[in-house]
Amino acid sequence: SAVISQKPSRDICQRGTSLTIQCQVDSQVTMMFWYRQQPGQSLTLIATANQGSEATYESGFVIDKFPISRPNLTFSTLTVSNLSPEDSSIYLCSVVSGETQYFGPGTRLLVL
Amino acid sequence: GENVEQHPSTLSVQEGDSAVIKCTYSDSASNYFPWYKQELGKRPQLIIDIRSNVGEKKDQRIAVTLNKTAKHFSLHITETQPEDSAVYFCAASKSSASKIIFGSGTRLSIRP
Repeated sequence: SAVISQKPSRDICQRGTSLTIQCQVDSQVTMMFWYRQQPGQSLTLIATANQGSEATYESGFVIDKFPISRPNLTFSTLTVSNLSPEDSSIYLCSVVSGETQYFGPGTRLLVL
Repeated sequence: GENVEQHPSTLSVQEGDSAVIKCTYSDSASNYFPWYKQELGKRPQLIIDIRSNVGEKKDQRIAVTLNKTAKHFSLHITETQPEDSAVYFCAASKSSASKIIFGSGTRLSIRP
């Protein structure tokens, strides 16, 4: 299995600002993803974080709003830019280890 | 792209009875179907998965069935217990190492 940590665990931000979320894994993994889970909703894939190249975004998500970095095989960051109240959500990173996809503990974001 | 539909959205069963959650998917290229359990305030945890080369898989009180022709798959929980209360998500993917698309979730409540 993979041990995944995320920072921060939660934050309250003002609209118009940005928040960068870090995801750290205890082993090298090829596949890493970022998901959003709005209150009471399912998980929606934002993008696949590719090591050494630009992330692959899903429909409805753009790089200007959700820039992602993946400098190595154990670490990634997701930035949520120009925050609005609609961005209030839980953001989770996930990785594939073995043949299982594991999720980080999530970052709970509240935008005021 | 892939679309996963899940029913019912809420399910209440008497302790000891069985619970069944059903999902359909749209992409015939999907070959991997995991099920995740998410307790309140926690990250999603994989509870069981099935690949397209098998029609059924069982792990103690949990079983999954897959009908690839009809693009249906189901989760069956027998002898339900209070700790089974949670939100359950079905999902579909081309492989266990690929991005996962989630269903909308089922909130399962076990009545004492």
